[in-house]
Amino acid sequence: NAGVTQTPKFHILKIGQSMTLQCTQDMNHNYMYWYRQDPGMGLKLIYYSVGAGITDKGEVPNGYNVSRSTTEDFPLRLELAAPSQTSVYFCASSYLGTSYGYTFGSGTRLTVV
Amino acid sequence: AQSVTQPDIHITVSEGASLELRCNYSYGATPYLFWYVQSPGQGLQLLLKYFSGDTLVQGIKGFEAEFKRSQSSFNLRKPSVHWSDAAEYFCAVGAKQTGANNLFFGTGTRLTVIP
Repeated sequence: NAGVTQTPKFHILKIGQSMTLQCTQDMNHNYMYWYRQDPGMGLKLIYYSVGAGITDKGEVPNGYNVSRSTTEDFPLRLELAAPSQTSVYFCASSYLGTSYGYTFGSGTRLTVV
Repeated sequence: AQSVTQPDIHITVSEGASLELRCNYSYGATPYLFWYVQSPGQGLQLLLKYFSGDTLVQGIKGFEAEFKRSQSSFNLRKPSVHWSDAAEYFCAVGAKQTGANNLFFGTGTRLTVIP
């Protein structure tokens, strides 16, 4: 059982470029989340999804987009990358939301230069 | 609005010593409360959670936490720390309302264990 898998683990992006961070889970979880983690700031929610075809903004959605075409996959798209998007990105999933706890992926460390 | 405060950015303890990591939350009702641990280069792993009932909850790796409503606290404890416990620890609060789908995380406490 792989859990939540994120790719890539590391990436360097140039300012203005775009990229997609991949996230897939094999636990048949309905809820999926994207967080970013900055030093001393904890985790901030970017976007979340309660099921295929349904997404919603979190605390810090600007500069990002998501889609959820299947239960398993929840990619995060960065358009026109900026240095402020340098961060560690975590994908998480949950069976039915907060009360069930979250399973996290191992993260993607992204640097925008 | 929900918020979580972890007042200690960094704690150093000797191996075998006891540990207490502090967490205070702000929330309008009784929340769901969680402790997560993050080892270097890894994602977050759930240590324990409190929903209701007994205010002392047991978790994995010998950790426990106590919910104190009067103090809005959910401190994490371990009686004897092992070198492998060195990591970053995050407290999180979640809403109990139906449809709420977010955890609010504290800024974390980094634990260093010295021999």
